Amino acid sequence: KNEVEQSPQNLTAQEGEFITINCSYSVGISALHWLQQHPGGGIVSLFMLSSGKKKHGRLIATINIQEKHSSLHITASHPRDSAVYICAVLPPGTYKYIFGTGTRLKVLA
Amino acid sequence: EAGVVQSPRYKIIEKKQPVAFWCNPISGHNTLYWYRQNLGQGPELLIRYENEEAVDDSQLPKDRFSAERLKGVDSTLKIQPAELGDSAVYLCASSPGWLAGQDHYNEQFFGPGTRLTVL
Repeated sequence: KNEVEQSPQNLTAQEGEFITINCSYSVGISALHWLQQHPGGGIVSLFMLSSGKKKHGRLIATINIQEKHSSLHITASHPRDSAVYICAVLPPGTYKYIFGTGTRLKVLA
Repeated sequence: EAGVVQSPRYKIIEKKQPVAFWCNPISGHNTLYWYRQNLGQGPELLIRYENEEAVDDSQLPKDRFSAERLKGVDSTLKIQPAELGDSAVYLCASSPGWLAGQDHYNEQFFGPGTRLTVL
């Protein structure tokens, strides 16, 4: 069993839909990082959080440390949001991320 | 502010040839990371630099891979000779530093990657 699990693995949505991607982890962490990877390969940092909630534009990330769970929400989804979304956790005292397997999102026009 | 810069973006070579990738981190970032990402998998850390010092190269296959960061700024990762199994995306990331418990200090910013295909 992976230490970081994401669901769903694949997601297809219509433009405008509200999207939720979930991340559950089984290890203690100091922080959790949401990343976006487009087909070209580059990775964009979306959020790094260790508690509560962060919002940037149409993206919202929440984390519940007690439940070891985080969610990434996309409001008013758009085809340009199509990408792989990766959850990565940082255990305490280390710089080595543990990466989730990613959620492949496709938003149709 | 410019992000992490990598070049080339794509490289196709024949097996047994050498190849090199270049990375320029975000200005002021002391820590630099090289990752390899195989298709459908998460990135795998190869090496981490603090300034010019390689402080963790435990995952770097040293028989064919080498890296340097001579002046503590930009870095080069080399493979010589390349093998078919080296086909992957090579990602560079940087962070201001690394300090336990300091999220803003530890957050890694990734570059666009170099997609290597070995034929």
